[in-house]
Amino acid sequence: EAGVAQSPRYKIIEKRQSVAFWCNPISGHATLYWYQQILGQGPKLLIQFQNNGVVDDSQLPKDRFSAERLKGVDSTLKIQPAKLEDSAVYLCASSPGTSGSPRETQYFGPGTRLLVL
Amino acid sequence: EDKVVQSPLSLVVHEGDTVTLNCSYEVTNFRSLLWYKQEKKAPTFLFMLTSSGIEKKSGRLSSILDKKELFSILNITATQTGDSAVYLCAVVGPQGAQKLVFGQGTRLTINP
Repeated sequence: EAGVAQSPRYKIIEKRQSVAFWCNPISGHATLYWYQQILGQGPKLLIQFQNNGVVDDSQLPKDRFSAERLKGVDSTLKIQPAKLEDSAVYLCASSPGTSGSPRETQYFGPGTRLLVL
Repeated sequence: EDKVVQSPLSLVVHEGDTVTLNCSYEVTNFRSLLWYKQEKKAPTFLFMLTSSGIEKKSGRLSSILDKKELFSILNITATQTGDSAVYLCAVVGPQGAQKLVFGQGTRLTINP
């Protein structure tokens, strides 16, 4: 079974520029998550999709961050404009079902490391 | 606000030592606690714990949950250099949300 795919793996931009990340979850997984992991910290959930609907985006800075999952499969996360404090690893994860069972596990992609100069 | 605190933040030991990593939490409507191992990239799943007192084991790794005292420990015996990683603890809250709240992680370094 192929894992969660993300691209690009690394991105360096200047502040105020825009950037977009792409995620392809494990085939058949209904739920998709985007996390931000700042160096030395644990991942923080930005947004959670169930199929193509948003379940939780309470920690997404909506003035500059946006995400979509139009067909319920791939997802993109965009930052516009970027700030220095956005430098982090952006992790995408997926989980299989929609039942909310505690026995579902999230599977993580390799992440995109973003550096804002 | 849901909170997960891990300790120690950093630990350096010699190969063969046994280590215990700690995770305490405060979360509304606790459902489960998960441990992940993060090397240079994606966190990889280790254990999911939902019931108190039941130890989960996988080789040299084991973990147990205490829902009364709101903490979990991850034990690694006979450590190897390949165990060097950041170990993340996360909790799942209310049903239907499947939202993971992570601790800051423990960076474990195993010296030969």
